[in-house]
Parts: sequence; C-alpha cells; structure tokens
Amino acid sequence: DTAVSQTPKYLVTQMGNDKSIKCEQNLGHDTMYWYKQDSKKFLKIMFSYNNKELIINETVPNRFSPKSPDKAHLNLHINSLELGDSAVYFCASSHRGKGDYGYTFGSGTRLTVV
Amino acid sequence: AQRVTQPEKLLSVFKGAPVELKCNYSYSGSPELFWYVQYSRQRLQLLLRHISRESIKGFTADLNKGETSFHLKKPFAQEEDSAMYYCALSGFTNKLIFGTGTLLAVQP
Repeated sequence: DTAVSQTPKYLVTQMGNDKSIKCEQNLGHDTMYWYKQDSKKFLKIMFSYNNKELIINETVPNRFSPKSPDKAHLNLHINSLELGDSAVYFCASSHRGKGDYGYTFGSGTRLTVV
Repeated sequence: AQRVTQPEKLLSVFKGAPVELKCNYSYSGSPELFWYVQYSRQRLQLLLRHISRESIKGFTADLNKGETSFHLKKPFAQEEDSAMYYCALSGFTNKLIFGTGTLLAVQP
C-alpha cells in the first residue's frame, strides 16, 4: 500500500546508456517532483509537474527528460549517462498550494554509472 | 532568494543529552517550514511542520521570524534518533528547498 513508489530501487549501468526511472503515487496528489541526492547527501530539486504540466525545471542537463502521462505518474528518462549522474533520485508528491502538508517521498532509486 | 542553512554537518551527542539542530532561512514572504528525517538508506519522512506546532517522537521546533530560525529540539536524545535531518522551506511556488542536512549521531 505504498504511497509513492519508485522503480527500480537500484540501477547499475554503463556510461553512455539510456535509462528510465518510474514513479507512481496513489495519494491523489496533483503535483509530483524529482529530487537528486548527491554523494554529500545534498538534496536538490530537478523537476516538478502539476496535473501533467511542467512547472519547475531547474538547471538540469537536457539529457534528463521527465514525462508525466497522468497526474499519478512521473517518470525520469536519462540519455547518455555520465559518471556524475550517479546519485540517489527521489520522487515526491504533494498538493499544490497546500504546502503545509509537506511532501511524501518515494524510497529512492540508487543510480550507479560505471 | 530562498535559502535554508544548516550550519552543522554532524552533531554527536550522548544518549540522554539534549539535542538542538540549527536551521536558519532566508525568505521574503511567509514561508512554510519543515523538518524531514532520513534514517539510514531509507526514504525522507516528514517529521514536523511549523504550522501544526506538534511534537513528534519528542522533537519540537519553533519558528522564530525575528531570527529567521526553525531549530529542532529534543530534551533527551535516544540512539534511535540517529539519522540525517533536513530543514526545508516552501514558498509561494510550492517548491521545497532543503538545507544541506545535519547528521545526528547519538552515542550510547
């Protein structure tokens, strides 16, 4: 009965490959996010979608492309993977305009590029 | 500019000692402030939000607008409190901005 679920949990791949991470939420939230947690545990927002519309797009290489088929799903596709992309990627969801509820996070996808 | 500062990367205390994790913020309007906790290799979990003024697992946090602070406190630390703690701010864009985190290590 997981609220925000991400797959896969672990992903090991070679440089230059293309990979996708999937995220689904069953909370009825209208906004979803992707965060990157680097090796120093720093969390930085990458993207945000509200009702399938991109509303936040931070300075992220265009090799990263989010896709939201519906408001319950937000996937992250990464082209031409580089060593520096190794990190833990967290998906999250919330109600837009109701920030006091906070975000609900997924368990993370640990991406290792070799 | 919106910013959250957690000055301590690591805070080590003994079991039973008081804990204070510092958080200062920079925001021109009225922010929503949160504390999130991440236990080893687990997901981030919402611990506290300033608007609800609650106490969770013995932790409390008071928003001090004059000092632009939202420090997290607990009078008696437990070993199971050992985790990474993130202070976060949400403004009118609903974007959650995190501080750099403080690793709390509670020694037996």
